[in-house]
Amino acid sequence: RKEVEQDPGPFNVPEGATVAFNCTYSNSASQSFFWYRQDCRKEPKLLMSVYSSGNEDGRFTAQLNRASQYISLLIRDSKLSDSATYLCVARTGNQFYFGTGTSLTVIP
Amino acid sequence: ETGVTQTPRHLVMGMTNKKSLKCEQHLGHNAMYWYKQSAKKPLELMFVYNFKEQTENNSVPSRFSPECPNSSHLFLHLHTLQPEDSALYLCASSPTGLRGNQPQHFGDGTRLSIL
Repeated sequence: RKEVEQDPGPFNVPEGATVAFNCTYSNSASQSFFWYRQDCRKEPKLLMSVYSSGNEDGRFTAQLNRASQYISLLIRDSKLSDSATYLCVARTGNQFYFGTGTSLTVIP
Repeated sequence: ETGVTQTPRHLVMGMTNKKSLKCEQHLGHNAMYWYKQSAKKPLELMFVYNFKEQTENNSVPSRFSPECPNSSHLFLHLHTLQPEDSALYLCASSPTGLRGNQPQHFGDGTRLSIL
């Protein structure tokens, strides 16, 4: 079983739409969680950390449910520039476990 | 501007060549990582170093040889590579200990092509 699982998509949504990505992790000892964004042929870049109480950064909202071992990312009012692959990450000790990524394309 | 710097950005080499990839971080982190990412594939962890000591070798072939002389520098020595080794090689670093809930930071990567 993979440490982190996420739906690969692709998600194709119109500009202005709201889209949600989900992710599950298998190790209850994982202590911290993140969403990264990766553009084609580029390195992953940190989008946001995910806190137990949920957190928001502009149009992006992240949620963590430790009981269900579930992480989510909500993007509101999608922009063309949001098109990328979104990676869910769980940190366990010094190991970072990446999901395979969810591909998002925002269509004009 | 990234705090993790990788050189070179691009590398083309023959199968019999020897080359090295370099990674340097200026973030005061103690853990450093090498990842491989083939085209349209997920990240594959190769090696992990914590305070200069290798703590993870993810069954990487011996033609890839890492070196970590200190917590700020990480090398990946390449020798007798195969065409399937063509990929984006990413270096990352992270804090440890009391800052062990913080994320990784990635370099821009080295795009490697094996002829």
